[in-house]
Amino acid sequence: NAGVMQNPRHLVRRRGQEARLRCSPMKGHSHVYWYRQLPEEGLKFMVYLQKENIIDESGMPKERFSAEFPKEGPSILRIQQVVRGDSAAYFCASSPAGQGAVTEAFFGQGTRLTVV
Amino acid sequence: AQTVTQSQPEMSVQEAETVTLSCTYDTSESNYYLFWYKQPPSRQMILVIRQEAYKQQNATENRFSVNFQKAAKSFSLKISDSQLGDTAMYFCAFMKLYNNNDMRFGAGTRLTVKP
Repeated sequence: NAGVMQNPRHLVRRRGQEARLRCSPMKGHSHVYWYRQLPEEGLKFMVYLQKENIIDESGMPKERFSAEFPKEGPSILRIQQVVRGDSAAYFCASSPAGQGAVTEAFFGQGTRLTVV
Repeated sequence: AQTVTQSQPEMSVQEAETVTLSCTYDTSESNYYLFWYKQPPSRQMILVIRQEAYKQQNATENRFSVNFQKAAKSFSLKISDSQLGDTAMYFCAFMKLYNNNDMRFGAGTRLTVKP
């Protein structure tokens, strides 16, 4: 059973371009979480999705950022018109159950986005 | 809102010795979960140990154990017989029990195990 797969591992974008980060959850997991880690900081929650639904996006900037988790395929975190401040490591985690159930999230290895 | 504080940005320990990493949190919830995650240079987040707030007994996983003080909202991690492979960033995390699985993380403690 492969773990949570994120790609690409490293992504370089020029200011103003779009960044697309992909996350394939563990087999059987239907809940995905995205976190951002700035240098020397902890992970900050961005968004929590289930298949075809955004459950909580309270941690995601209102503009330029969007996330989806379609019925088929990976979850996508999209950042439009990237700026230098978007440079960070973006982690995806998945779990097999959500509300009311305790399952530790399984994390991917992250995508390091560098905006130049 | 829940906050998690790790007051030790960096720590070091000699191989085979014991080290304790501190974590405090703030919440009005009575039922919740606490976690310690390890992030080695590979950047993958690895669960080290988990504590359920309604359990008084401190969780233990081999060389890793916690000191959970619910009234003081403290959740420290003790690593015994430290090994070179324990060198990593360690993150304390809080998760509400009956809500979306919004896991809140501390800023991390960078632990270096010296030979």
